[in-house]
Amino acid sequence: ETGVTQSPTHLIKTRGQQVTLRCSSQSGHNTVSWYQQALGQGPQFIFQYYREEENGRGNFPPRFSGLQFPNYSSELNVNALELDDSALYLCASSLDSNSVEAFFGQGTRLTVV
Amino acid sequence: GEDVEQSLFLSVREGDSSVINCTYTDSSSTYLYWYKQEPGAGLQLLTYIFSNMDMKQDQRLTVLLNKKDKHLSLRIADTQTGDSAIYFCAESMAQAGTALIFGKGTTLSVSS
Repeated sequence: ETGVTQSPTHLIKTRGQQVTLRCSSQSGHNTVSWYQQALGQGPQFIFQYYREEENGRGNFPPRFSGLQFPNYSSELNVNALELDDSALYLCASSLDSNSVEAFFGQGTRLTVV
Repeated sequence: GEDVEQSLFLSVREGDSSVINCTYTDSSSTYLYWYKQEPGAGLQLLTYIFSNMDMKQDQRLTVLLNKKDKHLSLRIADTQTGDSAIYFCAESMAQAGTALIFGKGTTLSVSS
């Protein structure tokens, strides 16, 4: 158990729709990162939030956006869903943006049909 | 650009040692990591090594780092069936300390 929880565990959406995925970090962890893991691939970094501000972004289009809240929860929003967005979405929390260790949640499996 | 490469599959017998190899490209990475992922689960941090170290041992796990060749390896001694999983090598990104670049993963299969 890492103390990081994600919801929902599974989700099916239709192409063109919007989706919100949620992550609850460990208490006191000011940094959350989001990753997309396509089937058979390694996780790819989407972005990171530190104290409610975006603190780094990977090679993902602007329709991927996030929010981080003061209560150690965060959201990943994806607009205009495409079939290729089908993946496992993982969040990872850490104490701050320079911490060595990040703790991953179990992920949300998103299927776009 | 930044990239992490791993061999895709490794098959060993129970009790043998397993060695999983990885190459990375970003010489400015501060830390290098090994994560384990079991079916349907998230990522579990196994171990990590600071970039100025050559070796780190943690119980059955030994990490070797050759910074000149940008080569990282994970040795699992006395491999057990419970070690069957996907193992990911990752390097820290320069732009955000805890953001990671992962390889595609090595599937370790342990037979009894």
